[in-house]
Amino acid sequence: DIVMTQTPLSLSVTPGQPASISCKSSQSLLHRDGKMFLYWYLQRPGQSPQLLIYEVSNRFSGVPDRFSGSGSGTDFTLKISRVEAEDVGVYYCMQSIQLPYSFGQGTKLEI
Amino acid sequence: QVSLKESGPALVKPTQTLTLTCTFSGFSLTTSEVRVGWIRQPPGKALEWLARIDWDNAKYYNTSLKTRLTISKDTSKNQVVLTMTNMDPVDTATYYCARFLFGLHTFDVWGQGTVVTVSS
Repeated sequence: DIVMTQTPLSLSVTPGQPASISCKSSQSLLHRDGKMFLYWYLQRPGQSPQLLIYEVSNRFSGVPDRFSGSGSGTDFTLKISRVEAEDVGVYYCMQSIQLPYSFGQGTKLEI
Repeated sequence: QVSLKESGPALVKPTQTLTLTCTFSGFSLTTSEVRVGWIRQPPGKALEWLARIDWDNAKYYNTSLKTRLTISKDTSKNQVVLTMTNMDPVDTATYYCARFLFGLHTFDVWGQGTVVTVSS
């Protein structure tokens, strides 16, 4: 099974400042078709997870452009250019290249 | 508008079987692009993928729970059902169903979740 490891596990950021979360996978997430099956979700307090980034760097519909994703192979990063109050919650990375799908432990962002 | 909603018992006793229903709208589980999965989240812990069912009735399970899980669908009712046998207190969690799009290769829309507590 692929293990997803996130760092840090918690992050306290001043509004307007940047934030960065790392996610490392135990195996490459590169599919034979050239796509990288790495995703980022945000779970706001009391809510279900919502998709932010798909295939490493593509923002999902309605996601603000202050969110960006990068990386390749086994190392990935989610960046928030200027944190806002509504960005509070737990961020999860997820891989879907291999069953069972797996998530990172989550990174709690506080302001 | 795509939506999913989970339903089922809030409390089950140890050793009992849990049956959860995901009722969805705004899409059909008869097209090759679409799958539906279940994910759970113990209190204060991370997400764990449980199972997925595809439009062609192919079924996939988390290997760690495979012997206890069964996923099925009723396309006429737009429902997906998950059963989990031999429930234990460690299975206490919020259970989510979510749509999986083949093109995105991930879960794009999630239900609100249903909380299940396992206790005698």
